[in-house]
Amino acid sequence: AQSVAQPEDQVNVAEGNPLTVKCTYSVSGNPYLFWYVQYPNRGLQFLLKYITGDNLVKGSYGFEAEFNKSQTSFHLKKPSALVSDSALYFCAVRGYNNAGNMLTFGGGTRLMVKP
Amino acid sequence: DAGVIQSPRHEVTEMGQEVTLRCKPISGHNSLFWYRQTMMRGLELLIYFNNNVPIDDSGMPEDRFSAKMPNASFSTLKIQPSEPRDSAVYFCASSLVASKGEEQYFGPGTRLTVT
Repeated sequence: AQSVAQPEDQVNVAEGNPLTVKCTYSVSGNPYLFWYVQYPNRGLQFLLKYITGDNLVKGSYGFEAEFNKSQTSFHLKKPSALVSDSALYFCAVRGYNNAGNMLTFGGGTRLMVKP
Repeated sequence: DAGVIQSPRHEVTEMGQEVTLRCKPISGHNSLFWYRQTMMRGLELLIYFNNNVPIDDSGMPEDRFSAKMPNASFSTLKIQPSEPRDSAVYFCASSLVASKGEEQYFGPGTRLTVT
């Protein structure tokens, strides 16, 4: 079985400050890890993914995430937050050994960036 | 590409009525997923198809729900009869099945309200 935990329901940060949205996972074998963002009344949009290689992955809108195998984490980061980054963020995992190609999503973290 | 297309965007119906949600995946994608999103339960995978064949429908809540994919460019999710607890946003997503590292692309969703 595979699972994802996003321990924070909400993260508050001031504009211009760095932000981190946490994600930990559990999976059999090597993981494929994804981050998605959802703006109000919209579908989920793909931000970035880790497949293999460099542990630091860069994605859309200046976001990046760091894969840490020993801590089974894949935290989303951005050096300087924008008010427009306020949205709901989902982490997702798929195990390399998973016979299917379904993703398991975390419960989501609401990011609030205040001016 | 127009992305994943869902219709209708909004549906309001009375309890007991049949509801049909429609999805057109991205051309060339051969995996299709139906999700349901509510405040209480978050994002739930209902069913997914590979090459038009249902692979995992363990997330379908009960027999009132059914999904079909008659061809590579069209899928439906039907609820018959509908109940107020079915009120949610239903998302369709598509991806390539060839590689497990492929991300899913989500449609804009159908907001269903059952009164």
